[in-house]
Amino acid sequence: DAKTTQPNSMESNEEEPVHLPCNHSTISGTDYIHWYRQLPSQGPEYVIHGLTSNVNNRMASLAIAEDRKSSTLILHRATLRDAAVYYCILRDLSGTYKYIFGTGTRLKVLA
Amino acid sequence: KAGVTQTPRYLIKTRGQQVTLSCSPISGHRSVSWYQQTPGQGLQFLFEYFSETQRNKGNFPGRFSGRQFSNSRSEMNVSTLELGDSALYLCASSQRPTGDRNYGYTFGSGTRLTVV
Repeated sequence: DAKTTQPNSMESNEEEPVHLPCNHSTISGTDYIHWYRQLPSQGPEYVIHGLTSNVNNRMASLAIAEDRKSSTLILHRATLRDAAVYYCILRDLSGTYKYIFGTGTRLKVLA
Repeated sequence: KAGVTQTPRYLIKTRGQQVTLSCSPISGHRSVSWYQQTPGQGLQFLFEYFSETQRNKGNFPGRFSGRQFSNSRSEMNVSTLELGDSALYLCASSQRPTGDRNYGYTFGSGTRLTVV
C-alpha cells in the first residue's frame, strides 16, 4: 500500500500562511495526491488534489515536488476555522483504489 | 444540493446485538464507501459499492457487511457487536467509482456507535 508521512501536529498564527508537508516516496506514476481535512465532530472534507502540476482552488494550493515524492498543502491565510486534522492520501496501488488514510497533521491556529 | 446523509447520528448497542447504519449519497452519486474511525486505528476502509455491486472490501471480519440499493442508498450491518466496534462510521459518496482517481469524495458526518 502506498503510504504517506506527515508531521503529527503544527501550529500557525491566524492570518499567516501555513505549509503542511507530506512525504510519499512510494507514489506510483499515475497516483493522484488528495488532501482532505477533518474538523471536529465532522467527516473528512475534500480540500484539493493533483497529479504533477501545482493546483489552486478557493480553499488552498497544492505544490507537488518535481519527483512527486512529496507535496505541500498551502493555506494562504489561516483562520480559526482552519483548525483541523489534515490528511494527505494516495490511492491504493493494488487495484482496489481505496483511500489509505494516514494519521494526518493536526493544525492548531492561534488567535 | 443536499450532502451525504447518515442516520442515525448516535447509537448505543449492547454486546452481541446487531446494528444497521444508513447512508444516503448526494443525488447522482453512484459510488458509496464506508470507513470506520477509531482513536487507535484512525480511518480505515470498510467497503465500497458502485451500482449495487461491492467493488472493494477492507480487512474487516465477516460480521461487517453492506449493501447498496437501486437508488444508490447504502446500508452497512454489523452483527454480534463487540466492544471494539465502538467507533465513528463514515459514509462517503462520489460520482465515479473509486477507480477513477481524478475524483474526490464527499463524506457524511458519520454515525457514532457505542457498544456497551
